[in-house]
Parts: sequence; C-alpha cells; structure tokens
Amino acid sequence: SAVISQKPSRDICQRGTSLTIQCQVDSQVTMMFWYRQQPGQSLTLIATANQGSEATYESGFVIDKFPISRPNLTFSTLTVSNMSPEDSSIYLCSVDPSGDTDTQYFGPGTRLTVL
Amino acid sequence: LAKTTQPISMDSYEGQEVNITCSHNNIATNDYITWYQQFPSQGPRFIIQGYKTKVTNEVASLFIPADRKSSTLSLPRVSLSDTAVYYCLLSGEKLTFGTGTRLTIIP
Repeated sequence: SAVISQKPSRDICQRGTSLTIQCQVDSQVTMMFWYRQQPGQSLTLIATANQGSEATYESGFVIDKFPISRPNLTFSTLTVSNMSPEDSSIYLCSVDPSGDTDTQYFGPGTRLTVL
Repeated sequence: LAKTTQPISMDSYEGQEVNITCSHNNIATNDYITWYQQFPSQGPRFIIQGYKTKVTNEVASLFIPADRKSSTLSLPRVSLSDTAVYYCLLSGEKLTFGTGTRLTIIP
C-alpha cells in the first residue's frame, strides 16, 4: 500500500494565474498518475508521470496547460497554467506501487476553484 | 478505448446485499477489472480486483462471467457507512474509470 498527501487541499484562484499542486508518497513508486474530477463526474486521467521520463498526456490534455514534474520516486507536481473557470475541479494524484496489477492508491485531492 | 457503463444510482436498506453491475463490452485481453469506493472530499479507495471468475475479500466479492463483458460487485450486509460512489475501472493500456454508481443506504 501507499500513503499519499497533496498540497494544497483546496485553493481559490484568479483567472489567468497558475497553481502548482504537490503530491508526496510515503514510499518509492515508479508510476504516478494525475486525474481530474469535475463536480459530480467520474475521474479523467490527465497524464502518467514516471520518474526519469517525460510525462505521457492523455487526449485533450497538453503539457503547456498541465506541466508535470517528477524529480524523484516519492514526489510529483502538476501545474494548472493560465487558469479559467473551466479548470475548476478536483485534481487527484495516484500511485501504483506494484507497477503491474493496476491497483492504485489515491491522494485526498486538491479542490480548485477559479474565479 | 474500452468503456464501462454502470447504473447512475442505487438505493438499498441496511443489512441487505447490494450488487452493482458494470458493463464493459470492449474489454481488452490484458484488462483487469478493479472497483473503487469514493466518499465525498476523498480520493477513491481500492475495494477489489479480478480478471475472471470470482474473487472475494473481507469487504466484497467480484463476479466476472466467462466472456468478461461485465462484472458485478457484491457488498454483503451493507451499512450506512457504505453510502458512497462506486467506480468500475478497466486497466490494461488505458486507465478508464466508469461513470460511477451512487449507492445510498437507507436506515
């Protein structure tokens, strides 16, 4: 298993600004994922962030809008750039400690509101 | 890209067994089926995972027929604390969450 923390837990931001969300894991993991969950909706995968390589983005998500860093095996950041109200959502990171059975452990999420 | 379909919501009384079905007609050979539970303001929590037939753990059972085009999460003797959204996830090459089923347990 893995224990994951995220910072900040919530934030209210102005249009056009950027916010960086941090994800910290209590153990070393290769695979980390970033999701977005809009109000009342399911989770949508933004990107996969593996240490030592560039993040892999899903269709509809681009690096310029959601740059990701993965400096080591326990930490990652997701930046939401040039925000608009449509970016208001919950952003979650998750990890797959085993790397082969697709069992993910999720952080508590960051609730972002863009005014 | 495999997609899943679940009932949007279900209600059940305390003490009953609840079965939530997920349809995944286009499941890939290498896809595992995983169910997660999500409470408000929390990230999803792993419940159970399977590939075929039946899997049981201390909180739930997962039934997967031979064709793997659907799966059923079974929660025995539910309580109020089981009120949550339940997601069916196919893994493999793409991590695709289902639409989620909002389960409400009635006292």
